Amino acid sequence: EPEVTQTPSHQVTQMGQEVILRCVPISNHLYFYWYRQILGQKVEFLVSFYNNEISEKSEIFDDQFSVERPDGSNFTLKIRSTKLEDSAMYFCASSEWDTDTQYFGPGTRLTVL
Amino acid sequence: AQKITQTQPGMFVQEKEAVTLDCTYDTSDQSYGLFWYKQPSSGEMIFLIYQGSYDEQNATEGRYSLNFQKARKSANLVISASQLGDSAMYFCAMRDTGSARQLTFGSGTQLTVLP
Repeated sequence: EPEVTQTPSHQVTQMGQEVILRCVPISNHLYFYWYRQILGQKVEFLVSFYNNEISEKSEIFDDQFSVERPDGSNFTLKIRSTKLEDSAMYFCASSEWDTDTQYFGPGTRLTVL
Repeated sequence: AQKITQTQPGMFVQEKEAVTLDCTYDTSDQSYGLFWYKQPSSGEMIFLIYQGSYDEQNATEGRYSLNFQKARKSANLVISASQLGDSAMYFCAMRDTGSARQLTFGSGTQLTVLP
């Protein structure tokens, strides 16, 4: 069964460093998403992406975040200058259509020291 | 504004028993979708079941069923014949026409299945 994959599973970085989180969505899906979950808290929407551009973003998704689809398979989230409060699990998700079920990847646990 | 409420931070159930996890929602839209996801201790988010606001029948997927009461704005997840592997965090989520491309999640219910 097709699934969303994410790499790395765990990333440790120093505050102020740039990180890139990678995702491979399900191959026939057209809509891609990033969510984050701070430890012990609810899952929060960051951004949605369709047709090579951002379609929606939340207040959390400020100028330090960016997303890109560099090729036909990868979808990335870049955090330019990490802060301690960026420590969280980051989930990538994809769906065939915007109103379709979103399937999540296994997540990348980001730890900022 | 959307809102998803899960009032049970933790639930216990005996193996092989059924359990209901509560979820209420708030939206002024007529068209919306309700989802349940399971998050085991390993951290991944697993899609379980979906209910559309216009669906007349309650959704079912194997041992999972969704008790959808539109007038009460509730979408409770029922797990029948609980198994030890059902122990996990369960999240209710909603998407409505005002934000078709994002899910709003509840705070989750930690389910523990006892042997």
